Amino acid sequence: AQRVTQPEKLLSVFKGAPVELKCNYSYSGSPELFWYVQYSRQRLQLLLRHISRESIKGFTADLNKGETSFHLKKPFAQEEDSAMYYCALPPFLNAGNNRKLIWGLGTSLAVNP
Amino acid sequence: NAGVTQTPKFRILKIGQSMTLQCTQDMNHNYMYWYRQDPGMGLKLIYYSVGAGITDKGEVPNGYNVSRSTTEDFPLRLELAAPSQTSVYFCASSYSLGGNEKLFFGSGTQLSVL
Repeated sequence: AQRVTQPEKLLSVFKGAPVELKCNYSYSGSPELFWYVQYSRQRLQLLLRHISRESIKGFTADLNKGETSFHLKKPFAQEEDSAMYYCALPPFLNAGNNRKLIWGLGTSLAVNP
Repeated sequence: NAGVTQTPKFRILKIGQSMTLQCTQDMNHNYMYWYRQDPGMGLKLIYYSVGAGITDKGEVPNGYNVSRSTTEDFPLRLELAAPSQTSVYFCASSYSLGGNEKLFFGSGTQLSVL
């Protein structure tokens, strides 16, 4: 079954420290993965997606097919990075789960001063 | 361009009451979705629509109904509110099919059923 696992519900780091939010997936095809972010009192928004290989707000994520991971990383965390982060996986089209993303449970990142 | 607009932002219902959560988007997206977000439970899909007149159930449809009479609007109806429906509800839309799309979210509706 397709699945996205974010093993950490809460991650707390100090400002300036490196941060890594973990995401592991189970998928039978070649996945396209997303990271969405929800800042306090704001709507969910796309942070980055694997296919575009871009860096947004200093965050990057590399797809590791061997480890089936798509961890989100930033070398120096900022207080404004405090938010809820969701990893999401589009379904394999023939699996009968069309038209909806498979979401991880989310990781709450707290960056302390 | 307002994106996805949800109303109301907050609502308190008594058990057994009904209400409609409104959602409208101005991006001409064919695909629209309703999610609920419970603490520690992530996002669960309630219903989705692939175009005007077409809706389908998601993971947790019980207790809800939807309609899609226009491309822009996708209201979510709670007929007999129950405490288990206390949650934050998000409407979203996307342009393309197949899952490889960026979702645009509304700002959410915080609903409490007491």
